Amino acid sequence: RKEVEQDPGPFNVPEGATVAFNCTYSNSASQSFFWYRQDCRKEPKLLMSVYSSGNEDGRFTAQLNRASQYISLLIRDSKLSDSATYLCVVNRGDYKLSFGAGTTVTVRA
Amino acid sequence: SAVISQKPSRDICQRGTSLTIQCQVDSQVTMMFWYRQQPGQSLTLIATANQGSEATYESGFVIDKFPISRPNLTFSTLTVSNMSPEDSSIYLCSVGGTVQGGTQYFGPGTRLTVL
Repeated sequence: RKEVEQDPGPFNVPEGATVAFNCTYSNSASQSFFWYRQDCRKEPKLLMSVYSSGNEDGRFTAQLNRASQYISLLIRDSKLSDSATYLCVVNRGDYKLSFGAGTTVTVRA
Repeated sequence: SAVISQKPSRDICQRGTSLTIQCQVDSQVTMMFWYRQQPGQSLTLIATANQGSEATYESGFVIDKFPISRPNLTFSTLTVSNMSPEDSSIYLCSVGGTVQGGTQYFGPGTRLTVL
């Protein structure tokens, strides 16, 4: 079983729509979680950390469910610039990160 | 966050040759990592570059194939040795891992094509 699994998508949504997707992780001892964004032919960039209580950053909301070992990301009022691959990332607990394969989101005009 | 640069940004190499990739950070960092991202795949950790000692390799990666140097706290190199077309990937260095819950920041990557 992969350490981090994501729905690859693609999610194709119109501007202004809400899109949400999840990932699951296998290591119940994982302590910290992140969403990274990767644009085509670019390096991954931190979008936001994910906290146990859930957290928002503008139009982005992240949730963590430790019992079910899944993490979600919701994007409200989608913009064209939100088109990217979103990587679910889990800290293995030894300074190292495990990456999901990514969820592709395309926002169309 | 630190500013990270990599050289070269891309290269096309012949089978059987080796390529050394450089990673430079604008400030001293404790942890540096090397990743590989194969076409259409996510990132896979190759090794942790340790300053002053041998790198720590992940399962499936060996020093003979991917020798790593870390002479100081701002610089590291990764060599891809005896290349084959299967080594065609993007290679990325990253820093961080010790603060902010283990957040890492990535260099721009080196796009390698092996013919």
